[in-house]
Amino acid sequence: DSGVTQTPKHLITATGQRVTLRCSPRSGDLSVYWYQQSLDQGLQFLIQYYNGEERAKGNILERFSAQQFPDLHSELNLSSLELGDSALYFCASSAGKEQFFGPGTRLTVL
Amino acid sequence: QQQVKQSPQSLIVQKGGISIINCAYENTAFDYFPWYQQFPGKGPALLIAIRPDVSEKKEGRFTISFNKSAKQFSLHIMDSQPGDSATYFCAADSGYSTLTFGKGTMLLVSP
Repeated sequence: DSGVTQTPKHLITATGQRVTLRCSPRSGDLSVYWYQQSLDQGLQFLIQYYNGEERAKGNILERFSAQQFPDLHSELNLSSLELGDSALYFCASSAGKEQFFGPGTRLTVL
Repeated sequence: QQQVKQSPQSLIVQKGGISIINCAYENTAFDYFPWYQQFPGKGPALLIAIRPDVSEKKEGRFTISFNKSAKQFSLHIMDSQPGDSATYFCAADSGYSTLTFGKGTMLLVSP
């Protein structure tokens, strides 16, 4: 168990809808990262937050947004969902270089 | 553009054998190279990591070999066990703590 928690574990929704994925980092970790894992694209970095501030952006679509709250938990918001957004979404946290991943949220868009 | 190339895509090794997975990179700004292990339905778990000022790092049965001039690094799993059957990912960090991952290698260790 990495100490990173993610909810929900599974999410099934329809195209055009909006969902929110939640992540609680390990105790004491200030950095939170979001990754998308799909069969064709592999594991791709989406966005990083450090102590509430956006620090780095990767291949994140404009329809996606994230934030980190004062208690350091983070939420990833996905809107106007498309079939191609179906994937595993992982959150990771770190205090330094080592990133620890949560169990992921499997999103299915029908 | 794939910045970290990983091979092979899949690997079958007999129990007790050595599993070898290779990665190559182009970006010389990468300064931290971790390997992750992922079981089905689970998140990636950090296995071992190396920095470019070291040519080899060993932790138990797992060893990373690093060749800075060739821009290549590899994971060796000694005495491979069926419990090692998983997908392995190499990754690279450019110093901003954002990881670029290889495509992954599915390892199957046959009993």
